[in-house]
Amino acid sequence: QVQLVQSAAEVKKSGASVKVSCKASGYTFTDYGLSWVRQAPGQGLEWMGNISGYNDNAKYAQKFEGRVILTADPLTSTGFMELRSLRADDSAVYYCARDLSFEFWGQGTLITVS
Amino acid sequence: QSLLTQAPSASGTPGQTVTISCSGNISNIGKNFVHWYQQFPGTAPKLLIYRNDRRPSGVPDRFSASKSDTSASLAFSGLRSEDEADYYCASWDDGLSGWVFGGGTKLTVL
Repeated sequence: QVQLVQSAAEVKKSGASVKVSCKASGYTFTDYGLSWVRQAPGQGLEWMGNISGYNDNAKYAQKFEGRVILTADPLTSTGFMELRSLRADDSAVYYCARDLSFEFWGQGTLITVS
Repeated sequence: QSLLTQAPSASGTPGQTVTISCSGNISNIGKNFVHWYQQFPGTAPKLLIYRNDRRPSGVPDRFSASKSDTSASLAFSGLRSEDEADYYCASWDDGLSGWVFGGGTKLTVL
């Protein structure tokens, strides 16, 4: 069965960077892209960007352009989301989800910025 | 402010039919598929409807959805207490070249 397993929660200081991983299993990683979606406490879902599973082609939401880097390693079937220059309002749960309809989601990674 | 507009809340009694809506524009819903997600507190969203009106395997047929022009709707027939959750619509936006979500509708079963 398809699974997306994300890295553990982290606490970061303002100005730091964080890198979240998303390990995929149960399907051919290179056949699908991975999107990253975040959810601030009590708020809705916000798409950050996505990356192809077979090349380095990434697309970013305008809001995050220049501050987010998405990468993917087909050898380990793992996607990564790095967010830089963290601010307090970046505190949120970050999800990876398989494109194109977000049929499968990771369990979420809580990032707290203090 | 979300590009897809949803009412923040909706409610109904058990057995009732309830519909929630999602309004967009020509750049998103007007040209692309709409997907719907169900989310319980503290858990990841779950795909409920994809490509406007298709149910993934395991989703009961009392959930249905439709799309017309730049709006979409999700219907619950025979509302159950376990349907109490947050519901989000999503669509690709050609102008933004990215996905957009609705702000979510919190469904309460009275």
